[in-house]
Amino acid sequence: TQLLEQSPQFLSIQEGENLTVYCNSSSVFSSLQWYRQEPGEGPVLLVTVVTGGEVKKLKRLTFQFGDARKDSSLHITAAQPGDTGLYLCAGALKTSYDKVIFGPGTSLSVIP
Amino acid sequence: EAQVTQNPRYLITVTGKKLTVTCSQNMNHEYMSWYRQDPGLGLRQIYYSMNVEVTDKGDVPEGYKVSRKEKRNFPLILESPSPNQTSLYFCASSLYGSLGAYEQYFGPGTRLTVT
Repeated sequence: TQLLEQSPQFLSIQEGENLTVYCNSSSVFSSLQWYRQEPGEGPVLLVTVVTGGEVKKLKRLTFQFGDARKDSSLHITAAQPGDTGLYLCAGALKTSYDKVIFGPGTSLSVIP
Repeated sequence: EAQVTQNPRYLITVTGKKLTVTCSQNMNHEYMSWYRQDPGLGLRQIYYSMNVEVTDKGDVPEGYKVSRKEKRNFPLILESPSPNQTSLYFCASSLYGSLGAYEQYFGPGTRLTVT
């Protein structure tokens, strides 16, 4: 059972365009993280959001955590080829320790 | 340089031949974990370790073993590999086990093919 869904699965855009990718679940998370993974490498953390409704900005990237802490979005303004990669969201569930569930990822390709 | 290292990076083997993938971190992290990544499924946790001599099953532990005899090392053992274990494997470490609060640092991955 996939607890975290991401959409779209694939996205190909021209340099300079804006885009939004989504991460959705029926579960409530104590926090949610976004990672970016480039080909041949491991994922690298971009941001952690903790509070429902929280918005964080990282240069041209804007991350939002849903009010109910079940979903999140990542918006990229004026995409650049360097943004190309696989974007993974990971939600931390409250169990005996904070178990992290990863979504399947959104593969982004930014064409120069 | 703070990092997680994995070896080998690529491995092709045959069904039933025991293998070990090594993982080492130099950040004095308490928490270490193994994931496998398959298309459309994301990262799925195999085993994790909260500290030395403390290990537990993740979501997909069948066919794998781990050990944590030293803080820095967390090898993944496949006693009798099968083709369905063909995958991309990642080792990760975190300062502590509260993963929602702490960043996981990932190794570069090991691409395993079992024929």
